[in-house]
Amino acid sequence: EAGVTQFPSHSVIEKGQTVTLRCDPISGHDNLYWYRRVMGKEIKFLLHFVKESKQDESGMPNNRFLAERTGGTYSTLKVQPAELEDSGVYFCASSQGRGPSYEQYFGPGTRLTVT
Amino acid sequence: AQKVTQAQTEISVVEKEDVTLDCVYETRDTTYYLFWYKQPPSGELVFLIRRNSFDEQNEISGRYSWNFQKSTSSFNFTITASQVVDSAVYFCALSEASSGAGSYQLTFGKGTKLSVIP
Repeated sequence: EAGVTQFPSHSVIEKGQTVTLRCDPISGHDNLYWYRRVMGKEIKFLLHFVKESKQDESGMPNNRFLAERTGGTYSTLKVQPAELEDSGVYFCASSQGRGPSYEQYFGPGTRLTVT
Repeated sequence: AQKVTQAQTEISVVEKEDVTLDCVYETRDTTYYLFWYKQPPSGELVFLIRRNSFDEQNEISGRYSWNFQKSTSSFNFTITASQVVDSAVYFCALSEASSGAGSYQLTFGKGTKLSVIP
């Protein structure tokens, strides 16, 4: 069974540009999470999808971030326009069910560098 | 609000030594879950263990063991007879079961980078 995959693995863009990150969850996992780790800090929650619906987007830093999950399969996270402080590693995770008794399986992350 | 503190930023040990990674948490909930994840150089977070707040029994899995103490709000992780393959960043995380929005998001510590020297 394939794990969570993320694309691209690395992205280097200039301030003001747009970047779109993609996450493919494990097949059959309705719950999809986005997290971010800024250099030297904790991994922080961004948002949670249940199928195609946003269950919780309380961690999204501002309106420059837009997440979608059309059809309830893969998800995209768009940053427009990117700022220097957006640099970090963006992780995606998926789980079969909702709740801490269900393990969240993480992808390898996308390392975003904004110059 | 929940918080996880991993005071050790980096640890280096010589192969075959035992090492303990500390994790202290804060939460107002009476029901919560604690986790440990391993991040090897390949980057993905690998689930190691989940423990709920009602189960203070320590757990052992091979060379890994976990000590959960509610009295000190700690969930420490010990690797016995460390090996080079144990070199990684280890994250402790907390999820509150009474999450209002129902996302049950994970709250992570900053991670501890473990280097095992041959």
